[in-house]
Amino acid sequence: KAGVTQTPRYLIKTRGQQVTLSCSPISGHRSVSWYQQTPGQGLQFLFEYFSETQRNKGNFPGRFSGRQFSNSRSEMNVSTLELGDSALYLCASSSGLAGAHYEQYFGPGTRLTVT
Amino acid sequence: AQSVSQHNHHVILSEAASLELGCNYSYGGTVNLFWYVQYPGQHLQLLLKYFSGDPLVKGIKGFEAEFIKSKFSFNLRKPSVQWSDTAEYFCAVRSFSGYSTLTFGKGTMLLVSP
Repeated sequence: KAGVTQTPRYLIKTRGQQVTLSCSPISGHRSVSWYQQTPGQGLQFLFEYFSETQRNKGNFPGRFSGRQFSNSRSEMNVSTLELGDSALYLCASSSGLAGAHYEQYFGPGTRLTVT
Repeated sequence: AQSVSQHNHHVILSEAASLELGCNYSYGGTVNLFWYVQYPGQHLQLLLKYFSGDPLVKGIKGFEAEFIKSKFSFNLRKPSVQWSDTAEYFCAVRSFSGYSTLTFGKGTMLLVSP
């Protein structure tokens, strides 16, 4: 099976702009989670989508949003970019079934640099 | 809210030394436990996982971890490290209730000198 893919891999934006990142989960997986990874804060959960519905949300401002499509592909959007948004954004996919044991598989990430 | 604590931020070992990385979590209910590894320039990979049953779990590349419920711990071990084990290691916990999310520790950077 193909792994989790994320596009683009690298992105440079300026403050105030917005950005959209894309994630394609492993075939058959219905859950997509997004994380922000920075040297200071480590891996922080952004949100999780399951069957096109946001199921969980982390403690991030409303500038961070996401969505999931019927084919389970997901996008996350960050509006009005700030310097502190520079990070590696990771997408993870899983079966995501409530009440089930499962692991998450991670993509390579999108490295976002805000200047 | 659950939290995960990794005891060491940086560990430096010589090849063939034994490794133990500590991980403690705060959630009191049923949990799924994971160790992930991130090699330089690569994406996060699952090393091993605990769902239920035998508290001693074996993963890839000779790693193992022991779940001690009474101590809320899930320590990672390897009897003899190699230079290729140089990487960042993350402990993660998911509470097994409802639509719970994965909570990660801050990570431990392991440097193995040849």
